[in-house]
Amino acid sequence: GAVVSQHPSWVICKSGTSVKIECRSLDFQATTMFWYRQFPKQSLMLMATSNEGSKATYEQGVEKDKFLINHASLTLSTLTVTSAHPEDSSFYICSAMPGWEKNSPLHFGNGTRLTVT
Amino acid sequence: AQSVTQLGSHVSVSEGALVLLRCNYSSSVPPYLFWYVQYPNQGLQLLLKYTSAATLVKGINGFEAEFKKSETSFHLTKPSAHMSDAAEYFCAVSGAGANSKLTFGKGITLSVRP
Repeated sequence: GAVVSQHPSWVICKSGTSVKIECRSLDFQATTMFWYRQFPKQSLMLMATSNEGSKATYEQGVEKDKFLINHASLTLSTLTVTSAHPEDSSFYICSAMPGWEKNSPLHFGNGTRLTVT
Repeated sequence: AQSVTQLGSHVSVSEGALVLLRCNYSSSVPPYLFWYVQYPNQGLQLLLKYTSAATLVKGINGFEAEFKKSETSFHLTKPSAHMSDAAEYFCAVSGAGANSKLTFGKGITLSVRP
């Protein structure tokens, strides 16, 4: 149980275009999901906390107008990278926590490799 | 505030040897501690977690970790390394509560020599 599905697993886009990444909790409801960014050979950096039915909470230094987050349902959160530039190329990972599991840890999607050309 | 320190960026062991990956934490509240493993181009998989119960925690794939409050440590060990253990390992800390943020260490790359 507690599967988090992320789509697409990789995407290549041209500079200036927008890319949407989906994060789904397949067998549980998640009122909160988290979006992380990971640079090569580095740790995960929390970008924002996605809250179902309300605005996302962004970490300091993360541009909310560039990284649009929508958490429209209890099983889906989306991250849209708007007007993508090569420096946005990175590995993006979402995570969610099943509310039914006591002291439950975060469960992660398999990530999305974004390459902006 | 919470933080995790993983000393060193790379550990190399021989197949069959002991694996020891170090993690020290800092937390202003009683911490929850986690070890995750990441294989190339994949998400993170939970190895084990400490949530204020037993201080010696056993996880998947033969890994275990011991919470030592006096040393603020949560080192990961495995008695005998397998080639399949080669991956990136992350220690992480959070506070209690369903929506507590997870703070990761920088990660350690484990290599296993034949």
